[in-house]
Amino acid sequence: DVKVTQSSRYLVKRTGEKVFLECVQDMDHENMFWYRQDPGLGLRLIYFSYDVKMKEKGDIPEGYSVSREKKERFSLILESASTNQTSMYLCASSYRGRGAAGNTIYFGEGSWLTVV
Amino acid sequence: AQSVTQLGSHVSVSEGALVLLRCNYSSSVPPYLFWYVQYPNQGLQLLLKYTSAATLVKGINGFEAEFKKSETSFHLTKPSAHMSDAAEYFCAVSDQEGSQGNLIFGKGTKLSVKP
Repeated sequence: DVKVTQSSRYLVKRTGEKVFLECVQDMDHENMFWYRQDPGLGLRLIYFSYDVKMKEKGDIPEGYSVSREKKERFSLILESASTNQTSMYLCASSYRGRGAAGNTIYFGEGSWLTVV
Repeated sequence: AQSVTQLGSHVSVSEGALVLLRCNYSSSVPPYLFWYVQYPNQGLQLLLKYTSAATLVKGINGFEAEFKKSETSFHLTKPSAHMSDAAEYFCAVSDQEGSQGNLIFGKGTKLSVKP
């Protein structure tokens, strides 16, 4: 089974703190994603990476950055956390091979971040 | 631009009743369509997907969905609801215009099942 592991399920951080959310996948997937989930808004893509050190901005990248130094690991960084970044963050991965558009995206269990 | 619309943010059914969750898509290219389920405090899990093979797709837990090009729809059904089906369901279309491999999600439909 594909395993996408998010290191922290629940975090509480203070406004202005630098926050790291870590994600590891064990299926040698090329693609990795960070989504934000808010009630009534569904999932919104923050950043996408299709290879080591490669990244693309998603729909809502402002206030976030990412790092992908190894294929299996994709980190989301909040440079200076703000209360409007309180949310559920979901990491995901998928295979990039032929037929990538139809490939399944596999999700981690999510990280609940509260910024106070 | 591609998009997904899920009709009804909340749907409530009785145990044993038919489940119907509606999804309409917009796409200028033949779409790849997905349904995911999210149980409370968990990530998303794939229920089923349409990738241009059979238009009636069967998934896990007794769910199925039918791709109707003429109606641009991909509605999710289950003949008989079970209490364990209570969850949030997301319809998604593969993003073939932007980030290859990404999915564009609908806003979700929360399913409640009454005893």
